Amino acid sequence: GEDVEQSLFLSVREGDSSVINCTYTDSSSTYLYWYKQEPGAGLQLLTYIFSNMDMKQDQRLTVLLNKKDKHLSLRIADTQTGDSAIYFCAERVSGGYNKLIFGAGTRLAVHP
Amino acid sequence: GAVVSQHPSWVICKSGTSVKIECRSLDFQATTMFWYRQFPKQSLMLMATSNEGSKATYEQGVEKDKFLINHASLTLSTLTVTSAHPEDSSFYICSATGLGGEQFFGPGTRLTVL
Repeated sequence: GEDVEQSLFLSVREGDSSVINCTYTDSSSTYLYWYKQEPGAGLQLLTYIFSNMDMKQDQRLTVLLNKKDKHLSLRIADTQTGDSAIYFCAERVSGGYNKLIFGAGTRLAVHP
Repeated sequence: GAVVSQHPSWVICKSGTSVKIECRSLDFQATTMFWYRQFPKQSLMLMATSNEGSKATYEQGVEKDKFLINHASLTLSTLTVTSAHPEDSSFYICSATGLGGEQFFGPGTRLTVL
């Protein structure tokens, strides 16, 4: 079945890079997404990557995809306190209505 | 562009009453809308998928008679929690997709059932 796994917690010092990892099981996934959720709020799309790409960079964000290992990572450069939030990895499964399967979320804590 | 709103943002109700939550795509027509629920410190769990003018498709384990979904137009879907009980208290989030298939999320509705 479809499953997405993430580590639950990451703590980094302000100014350092953060790397959040995710693994998924559906090899037919077309897109993989990273969402950010702040307390009491909905989900904000940060970035996504198409399954035939290896890397995508968008300002401070770098997404790496290893399709062979079904491993996705999000690197945030120069992490700031405003980056503290929960980050969800999601895969868009093929067929049907393109539903998303979410990981459990990684809580990123940025400290001075 | 691609803004999705939800109303209300929070609601408190008595056990046994019904609560309706609206999800609107403000600047695009949504071919499909999704409803999720999220328990504290947990991930989003897909409840159902709805398409305009047709019956919603519910995920396994979700009671369709308890969680009524109506997708009346290309910009509006509603979720009604019928005969709500404290265990229904949760954060309900909707999303809407346009022609490109990408999901845009609403800000969520926090339901507390006393």
